[in-house]
Amino acid sequence: AQSVTQLGSHVSVSEGALVLLRCNYSSSVPPYLFWYVQYPNQGLQLLLKYTSAATLVKGINGFEAEFKKSETSFHLTKPSAHMSDAAEYFCAVSQDTGNQFYFGTGTSLTVIP
Amino acid sequence: NAGVTQTPKFRILKIGQSMTLQCTQDMNHNYMYWYRQDPGMGLKLIYYSVGAGITDKGEVPNGYNVSRSTTEDFPLRLELAAPSQTSVYFCASSYGTSGSLGEQFFGPGTRLTVL
Repeated sequence: AQSVTQLGSHVSVSEGALVLLRCNYSSSVPPYLFWYVQYPNQGLQLLLKYTSAATLVKGINGFEAEFKKSETSFHLTKPSAHMSDAAEYFCAVSQDTGNQFYFGTGTSLTVIP
Repeated sequence: NAGVTQTPKFRILKIGQSMTLQCTQDMNHNYMYWYRQDPGMGLKLIYYSVGAGITDKGEVPNGYNVSRSTTEDFPLRLELAAPSQTSVYFCASSYGTSGSLGEQFFGPGTRLTVL
């Protein structure tokens, strides 16, 4: 069985500060990992994905995430937060077998001016 | 391309009423999904489909039905609406399930309130 845990349902950072959103997964086989962003009253958009190539994945809007197998983690980072980064962020996992995605419960990011 | 479209955007139902949430994608994706999103709960999979004529239950299927007669359309049916079905519903599609094929594209959502 797969699952995704996002530590911290709410994260606040100052504008210009480092953004770190945590995601840990459990999977019995190598996973595929995704980060999605949801702006208010909108659907989810893909930020980045890990598909067993490079462990450091760069996404849109300056975000990146590093796959660490030993820690079963896929944390999302951005060096300098911008006001426009305020949104809900979801980590998700899937596998080669099965037909389902599993989403974390989300982390709401607030950027303080 | 329009991507994934959903109608309606908003709807208020009375208890016991029925309705169909429409979802259409124009990307020729095989896989389609219905999720519900409740505050603080993330997304829960209701039903999914791996191709026309094939559907399967997700994590929270009770109270819902789906059909997939074409590749493009994947409507979600609520037969007897209950307050517990008040939620935001998202439809998504993907070309496959694994690797780079597994990226899901989401519609804008339908906000449903049952009173």
